[in-house]
Amino acid sequence: DMKVTQMPRYLIKRMGENVLLECGQDMSHETMYWYRQDPGLGLQLIYISYDVDSNSEGDIPKGYRVSRKKREHFSLILDSAKTNQTSVYFCASSLGTHQAPLFGEGTRLSVL
Amino acid sequence: AQKVTQTQTSISVMEKTTVTMDCVYETQDSSYFLFWYKQTASGEIVFLIRQDSYKKENATVGHYSLNFQKPKSSIGLIITATQIEDSAVYFCAMRDNYAQGLTFGLGTRVSVFP
Repeated sequence: DMKVTQMPRYLIKRMGENVLLECGQDMSHETMYWYRQDPGLGLQLIYISYDVDSNSEGDIPKGYRVSRKKREHFSLILDSAKTNQTSVYFCASSLGTHQAPLFGEGTRLSVL
Repeated sequence: AQKVTQTQTSISVMEKTTVTMDCVYETQDSSYFLFWYKQTASGEIVFLIRQDSYKKENATVGHYSLNFQKPKSSIGLIITATQIEDSAVYFCAMRDNYAQGLTFGLGTRVSVFP
């Protein structure tokens, strides 16, 4: 079943805590993405990964880091979360960089 | 840098009619890829249709079709025979060969009424 799975779906954290968002896909897609979605700002690219240990910054990487040790798994890490990182985070994957990414269901993160 | 603009914030239509929404883009690249997605009320983002810049024919998938006007840097989405379930936010996106990922417009909210 072609699917991008995000865990957890909902998360509440306090400012200064570390946050780990996880994403998996079962399609052996090489390229994976992390986006955040905010009202009025739309979907913004945080990081893109072209394969294992081949990650590049997107448009808004500050305050985030990523890890991809297996092709099917891509993590987004927030070290010492800030209140302005409250958002909905979407993971996506695609077979190549020119293919339409398939999106996960999103993780709603609230940083209090 | 690539840029995508959707000027229509919201559109309301009657069921079974046709809705058209606009999208204009900016890129310095001669080769690029255009996509349309929809986001449902539950938040799910679903890929609908794509247009590659080198293709002259407008893409069609089911009751979705595109109006690609390359000289105007425009890629409109047309939904025919709309259904209540087509109520969603529709996003236009593009990827050229210089960008790291897709750049999205801010979306157009479509409401389909019975």
